[in-house]
Amino acid sequence: QKEVEQNSGPLSVPEGAIASLNCTYSDRVSQSFFWYRQYSGKSPELIMSIYSNGDKEDGRFTAQLNKASQYVSLLIRDSQPSDSATYLCAVKGNAGNNRKLIWGLGTSLAVNP
Amino acid sequence: NAGVMQNPRHLVRRRGQEARLRCSPMKGHSHVYWYRQLPEEGLKFMVYLQKENIIDESGMPKERFSAEFPKEGPSILRIQQVVRGDSAAYFCASSPLSSGGTDTQYFGPGTRLTVL
Repeated sequence: QKEVEQNSGPLSVPEGAIASLNCTYSDRVSQSFFWYRQYSGKSPELIMSIYSNGDKEDGRFTAQLNKASQYVSLLIRDSQPSDSATYLCAVKGNAGNNRKLIWGLGTSLAVNP
Repeated sequence: NAGVMQNPRHLVRRRGQEARLRCSPMKGHSHVYWYRQLPEEGLKFMVYLQKENIIDESGMPKERFSAEFPKEGPSILRIQQVVRGDSAAYFCASSPLSSGGTDTQYFGPGTRLTVL
């Protein structure tokens, strides 16, 4: 079982729709969860971080975390063509020296005008 | 406030040569991380450093790869005797010193290494 799993996609949604991206992780002691966006040929760009169960909203983005189910998701409302990119889920373990991020392979999102 | 800086952005080496990749963290950040992204693959952790200390190098190949973060100057990822399989994008990230595990990592633009 991979440590962090995402559907590879591509996920295709029309402009203005809600895009839903999902991520599951295997390590129950994981504490910190991140969504990054990566355009082709570019570096990952942080969108959201979430540490507690529940929802966290930032503009058009909402991250949802369920530690019991080991599941984290990202919703993008009113999707725009500029949202077309690969979305990476990253998970970090306990505090202390375990600060490395474990990455999913990413979900490719295409927003069609 | 400048972001994470990496240079060079593109590096071409012939097999057997050495590659040196540099990373300057964001101002105020004392933690540096190196990740590698192979074509069509995900990001893989390589090494985590603080000033003058390697904290976690569990993702670093045992041979030919080394990293440092000196007291003064940028962090350096060094690849000796490069092979074609080393061709990849190498990303550096930095984070501030904070308690707990909630610090966020910010990425530089990456160095794209091509080995001929």
